[in-house]
Amino acid sequence: DIQLTQSPPFLSASVGDTITITCQTNFHISNYLNWYHVKPGKAPRLLIYDAFHVEEGVSSRFGGSESGTHFTLTITSLQPEDTGTYYCQEYDNVAHLTFGAGTKVDVK
Amino acid sequence: EMNVVESGGRVVKPGESLTLSCKGSGFTFDDYMMNWVRKTPEKGLEWVASISSGHIQIHFAPSVKGRFSIYRDDGQNSVFLQMRSLRGDDTAIYYCVRVRSSGGSRYYMDVWGPGTTVTVS
Repeated sequence: DIQLTQSPPFLSASVGDTITITCQTNFHISNYLNWYHVKPGKAPRLLIYDAFHVEEGVSSRFGGSESGTHFTLTITSLQPEDTGTYYCQEYDNVAHLTFGAGTKVDVK
Repeated sequence: EMNVVESGGRVVKPGESLTLSCKGSGFTFDDYMMNWVRKTPEKGLEWVASISSGHIQIHFAPSVKGRFSIYRDDGQNSVFLQMRSLRGDDTAIYYCVRVRSSGGSRYYMDVWGPGTTVTVS
């Protein structure tokens, strides 16, 4: 099974900062990796699909990249509404999908 | 506007059964695979089950296989999660989610419902 190692588990940053969250896989999965944001009390929201495609309606401050088994979510010009938990997710195949453990982001 | 809305969550006792419903609108429901995903404070997001368009493929997470069923009624734009032998660790917010494909085996979940809460206690 594909394992996703997401880091850091928790991150505190200030408004205007740039932050990076990483997701490491144990197998090469091409760019079959997506990123979601969960605000407290809200449903998850798709941010990035296929490693680097920004979902329609999502701010251009969000970006994704991939290098082998290492995936990165970058958020520039951090805003208070970026608070919440970020998850990476992959489809091993249509029969199974896995989420990372999540990165909780606190924006001061 | 595309959306999905879940219903049916409530407090149940261990060992009991419960069926969750999800109704979609604003898109051609029968064109899409639909997933159920749950969220807990301990585990975060966890995929539960999938049903493809045309009922061709149905899959479950190992933690619910044999206890949960998924089915859809495209005439009603609805998908259902039937849960049996519920346990304390099934306590979660359950989300109904539309799955979109960008080609080949690339899938992502783009329309999420607000969630419905199941408490097993």
